[in-house]
Amino acid sequence: SQQGEEDPQALSIQEGENATMNCSYKTSINNLQWYRQNSGRGLVHLILIRSNEREKHSGRLRVTLDTSKKSSSLLITASRAADTASYFCATGAGNTPLVFGKGTRLSVIA
Amino acid sequence: NAGVTQTPKFQVLKTGQSMTLQCAQDMNHNSMYWYRQDPGMGLRLIYYSASEGTTDKGEVPNGYNVSRLNKREFSLRLESAAPSQTSVYFCASLDSEGGYGQPQHFGDGTRLSIL
Repeated sequence: SQQGEEDPQALSIQEGENATMNCSYKTSINNLQWYRQNSGRGLVHLILIRSNEREKHSGRLRVTLDTSKKSSSLLITASRAADTASYFCATGAGNTPLVFGKGTRLSVIA
Repeated sequence: NAGVTQTPKFQVLKTGQSMTLQCAQDMNHNSMYWYRQDPGMGLRLIYYSASEGTTDKGEVPNGYNVSRLNKREFSLRLESAAPSQTSVYFCASLDSEGGYGQPQHFGDGTRLSIL
């Protein structure tokens, strides 16, 4: 069964705007990861945040984690047409495999 | 520097036929995974291999078998294909020696249609 649930399912924005995607999960985790999937390709790892971290940055990406609310958000600033993709959160706990959510489809319109 | 390579990229089968999907990684990773991706369902884990010589069932193992041939290769077999197995199949690997809080590396998938 899926652990992470992304919200919204789909998001359409103009180039230059910020995009925010959310992920909620149900059980305790020790890390949460975000992946991007371009059409027809495999998933690519973007960023990992551990349960003892609250915020992490990587280039135009900002991830937050609130373990008390069991939720995470991914912010992409100054979006570009090339950011058009599906974005997935995945939760990790102990030595068990990652569990992926159903994804958010982001469309950035030039 | 190929990463994770999956073959074939596309395949069409008839119901009842058998097929083996191949996956190889060149990153010396311990752990390997097979997922299926269906519209609106995200990725669901079929089988995984935490290390060479071990395999375990994931969320949706029925109708599939796997073989961890060596550290590099992890194959997925459909013994008698059914239309419900039409999907995109992804293989992934992980360097679990550093702990499981590590990123997974994915291949570009095998698009399988069963008529």
